[in-house]
This record gives sequence, C-alpha cells and structure tokens, in this order.
Amino acid sequence: GAVVSQHPSWVICKSGTSVKIECRSLDFQATTMFWYRQFPKQSLMLMATSNEGSKATYEQGVEKDKFLINHASLTLSTLTVTSAHPEDSSFYICSAETATSTDTQYFGPGTRLTVL
Amino acid sequence: GENVEQHPSTLSVQEGDSAVIKCTYSDSASNYFPWYKQELGKGPQLIIDIRSNVGEKKDQRIAVTLNKTAKHFSLHITETQPEDSAVYFCAEGNTGFQKLVFGTGTRLLVSP
Repeated sequence: GAVVSQHPSWVICKSGTSVKIECRSLDFQATTMFWYRQFPKQSLMLMATSNEGSKATYEQGVEKDKFLINHASLTLSTLTVTSAHPEDSSFYICSAETATSTDTQYFGPGTRLTVL
Repeated sequence: GENVEQHPSTLSVQEGDSAVIKCTYSDSASNYFPWYKQELGKGPQLIIDIRSNVGEKKDQRIAVTLNKTAKHFSLHITETQPEDSAVYFCAEGNTGFQKLVFGTGTRLLVSP
C-alpha cells in the first residue's frame, strides 16, 4: 500500500522549453503532496506543499511562476518547470500523505530532468 | 529555524556488523521522526519512524531510538548486509505543520 508513481522517470529538454512532471498516488487518496528537488550528493530540498483544490505553498526562494504546481485531484499533482534552463537540471521527487496518517510521507521514484 | 544535523556523513562497515546513524534536531515542538533509505537514482523509501510518545521502536534488523530531552534520535541496523548499502536520511516533523525537515544524509557502505 501507499504507492506513489511519477512520470516521466527521466526527461531531456532544450533550454527555454517547459516540462511537466506528474505525481500520482496509486492506491490511496492524497490530501497533501509535496515537491522536492535534490542535487547530486545532497539532501532533499522542499520546493512546495500542495493541497488538493487550493494553491500551492512555496518555500522561500522558490519561484512560483517558474515552478507551476497543480493539484486538481486527490490522486494527481503536477509540476511544470517553465522556460527551463541548465541550472534547473536536477532530480525532482514528489511525496504524498494519506488522509489517515497525516505526517507520514510516501515518496515517488523521482524524475531526472536534464536541460541542454 | 528548523535544523537537523546528521552524522556521520559516510559509514563503512563489514557485513554482519552493526551501523548507527545519529541525528540531532532543534525544534522542541517536533513530534515525528522518520528514517528514509535512498538507493542510487531512486526516491526515498520509508524504513521506520517514531513518534514522540515512545522512546524506541524496532522492526526486525532496524531500530530507532529517541531522546526528546537531548533532542536526538538514532537509527540502528544490526547484522548489516550488502543490500543495506544506500544513503539514509533522517527527518523531523510536526504533525500540525505537515512538512518534514531532512538531515544531510549518511552514505552507508556494507562490504561483503
């Protein structure tokens, strides 16, 4: 139980293009989803917290107009990296909380983004 | 602000030995302490967690201890196996605020 998937698992794009990453909770309803970014050999950095049906809450220093988050249903959240640049290349990971265990986060497998 | 220190940053042990990773936090309101295992190129996997109303929790070869007075908690892995090799992250959270603060990670290498 508590399986989270992400799609795609990796993506390569040209500088200036936009990329959408999907995060799905497969066997539970996720009232809250989180988006993290992880650079090589570093810890997870929280980018934003997303509650279903409301605007995402972004962490300090994260540009909300660049990293668009949509959480339209209890099983799907999307992160769109707009006008991507090489410095946006990173490992993006989502997590989700179940409604019954509101502090336990289950993580997706991550998406490797490479911007050329 | 919130801060979690994690030590050591790397840990090498022989198969069968025990491994201990320690984390120290600063927020006295924290009441949830999970541990995650991350293999190369994959997302973190929850391996064990503990809440502030207990001092120790065990699941087969893995145990976590919590000292709320000293604000530190530790992960103990006994009878280590090569497949335990990964990066381990501690985290702390507060049920009321949802988000987790992660430690800096420990790279564990178990040699056969």
